[in-house]
Amino acid sequence: DTGVSQDPRHKITKRGQNVTFRCDPISEHNRLYWYRQTLGQGPEFLTYFQNEAQLEKSRLLSDRFSAERPKGSFSTLEIQRTEQGDSAMYLCASSLHEVGVYGYTFGSGTRLTVV
Amino acid sequence: AQKVTQAQTEISVVEKEDVTLDCVYETRDTTYYLFWYKQPPSGELVFLIRRNSFDEQNEISGRYSWNFQKSTSSFNFTITASQVVDSAVYFCALPTKAPSGAGSYQLTFGKGTKLSVIP
Repeated sequence: DTGVSQDPRHKITKRGQNVTFRCDPISEHNRLYWYRQTLGQGPEFLTYFQNEAQLEKSRLLSDRFSAERPKGSFSTLEIQRTEQGDSAMYLCASSLHEVGVYGYTFGSGTRLTVV
Repeated sequence: AQKVTQAQTEISVVEKEDVTLDCVYETRDTTYYLFWYKQPPSGELVFLIRRNSFDEQNEISGRYSWNFQKSTSSFNFTITASQVVDSAVYFCALPTKAPSGAGSYQLTFGKGTKLSVIP
């Protein structure tokens, strides 16, 4: 069990560029989640996968955001035409069971800065 | 709607002092779990404890203790004899059913309390 891995740890991009983040969950975890955390706030839910199916999407996930989990293992989160308001920490988490009972294991996050 | 309130934005204590972090929640669920997570400067959210609404007994784990009171919708967290390594942001969280009603849950987090332990 190597934990949840996220890459890159930090990303600085110019406004209008596209960025992609990767998350590798704990290998036996079939549930994967993306959260966004802005300065001084708690994490906010973005989207949820069970295996390769994207089952939930927050209204925070505008049409510039897309997430995939093609083989039910790693996941990618892409932001197109980045805006300064997208600057945040993007957290990935995974779980084997229903989060309502057992919670998540989080990765260290990808900190995005849009300049 | 589900809501978690952590009224204390920042707390500073001197090493070895005790400190209590407050969490008040709102939920329509009759049974539920509550969580505390710690976020050190490295950024990773670390699971600390999970409690269910059936059990209101206080829990102690080393220097950590939790006081869950369903009657006041509070789930407070106390660190005894604080240490510099306890400096972090602490989050209280409540599972929330997804809006789609598909049965999956998200975690609703409070805004966190930043704890600074001064040597």
